Amino acid sequence: SQQGEEDPQALSIQEGENATMNCSYKTSINNLQWYRQNSGRGLVHLILIRSNEREKHSGRLRVTLDTSKKSSSLLITASRAADTASYFCATDPFSGGGADGLTFGKGTHLIIQP
Amino acid sequence: GAVVSQHPSRVICKSGTSVKIECRSLDFQATTMFWYRQFPKQSLMLMATSNEGSKATYEQGVEKDKFLINHASLTLSTLTVTSAHPEDSSFYICSAKGRTRTYNEQFFGPGTRLTVL
Repeated sequence: SQQGEEDPQALSIQEGENATMNCSYKTSINNLQWYRQNSGRGLVHLILIRSNEREKHSGRLRVTLDTSKKSSSLLITASRAADTASYFCATDPFSGGGADGLTFGKGTHLIIQP
Repeated sequence: GAVVSQHPSRVICKSGTSVKIECRSLDFQATTMFWYRQFPKQSLMLMATSNEGSKATYEQGVEKDKFLINHASLTLSTLTVTSAHPEDSSFYICSAKGRTRTYNEQFFGPGTRLTVL
């Protein structure tokens, strides 16, 4: 699977500020998902947005999807030190069988300075 | 619901030995399981897809004779790294998709960190 691109690769902000991460992908998708991963740990599923949705909210998270530009953004508002982690987007490709693996972006390493 | 476990969580082995990693769906039937690999400071890369009762489909560049996958039941898939070498040291993560309320979603295991000496 080819990976999508995420930017920035690393982001350092002050606690309380908003953090925005972007993701671009290459193929048609069923849905796009965002995950968080703390250093050396497993993935935590954050949010899933379907291809027919444009925006979705979950707590302090806001995700947008622009299928015409093949891009998505993740906004974390009022950041906290505990938000420090790597964030990955992952696309679920559009296929009839629905049995394809996810294609992950390269990730953004977010550091929240206290 | 929709919990996936992996065992072991961490394994250290000598070069040339084989290592088996188990992935279990604890509360749902996983019709499809996926195996990913993550090298340090990199993203996850899909290695293979396995459907219950059939042969796994491997991604380009993944040696099927080296990474043996068995999906013998709807709740268990195993990945065996045969004749492991230091370059196989990585974080291996499985995920499962199946008969759940959110059928389109994959549920990830906590990962297995393999270190080959």
